[in-house]
Amino acid sequence: GAVVSQHPSWVICKSGTSVKIECRSLDFQATTMFWYRQFPKQSLMLMATSNEGSKATYEQGVEKDKFLINHASLTLSTLTVTSAHPEDSSFYICSASLPLAGDRNEQFFGPGTRLTVL
Amino acid sequence: AQTVTQSQPEMSVQEAETVTLSCTYDTSENNYYLFWYKQPPSRQMILVIRQEAYKQQNATENRFSVNFQKAAKSFSLKISDSQLGDTAMYFCAFGTSYGKLTFGQGTILTVHP
Repeated sequence: GAVVSQHPSWVICKSGTSVKIECRSLDFQATTMFWYRQFPKQSLMLMATSNEGSKATYEQGVEKDKFLINHASLTLSTLTVTSAHPEDSSFYICSASLPLAGDRNEQFFGPGTRLTVL
Repeated sequence: AQTVTQSQPEMSVQEAETVTLSCTYDTSENNYYLFWYKQPPSRQMILVIRQEAYKQQNATENRFSVNFQKAAKSFSLKISDSQLGDTAMYFCAFGTSYGKLTFGQGTILTVHP
């Protein structure tokens, strides 16, 4: 259980175009999903926290108009990179939060999406 | 805000030997969780082990164990009987009760045959 999928796994696009990445929790409902960005051999940097039915909370320094996040249902969050440029090329990872016993929430990670902007 | 520091960018170990990865963190919170994640070349994040801060007993999962020193804000990972499949990047992470994670810089572990 607790499987998270991402689509697409790899996308190449031209500079100036927009790209949408989907994150789905396949066997549980996730009121909260997280989006991370990771450069090669570096750590995961949290971009935003996505809550179902409300606006996403962006981390400091992340352009909310460039990285549009929509959490339309309890199993789906999308990240749209608008007017992508080569510097947006990166590995994007989503995770979904599953409430567990007590007050603990555990994150389950998707397999990631590699974005290459030409 | 929380910070997590992994001071070992790269480590290597011979197969069947033991290796310890270091992690320190800083927080003013009392209720939190600590995690070690493994990221193999596939880049899928895999949970290795978790520790609740309120528990004094160190967590253990088969060949993986932690040394949690709350006062020192230290959380190291020991891998016993290292296997080739343990080769990966390992991240220490600080977690709040509502699920937000802060990751360390990562340690690339290579297990040699």
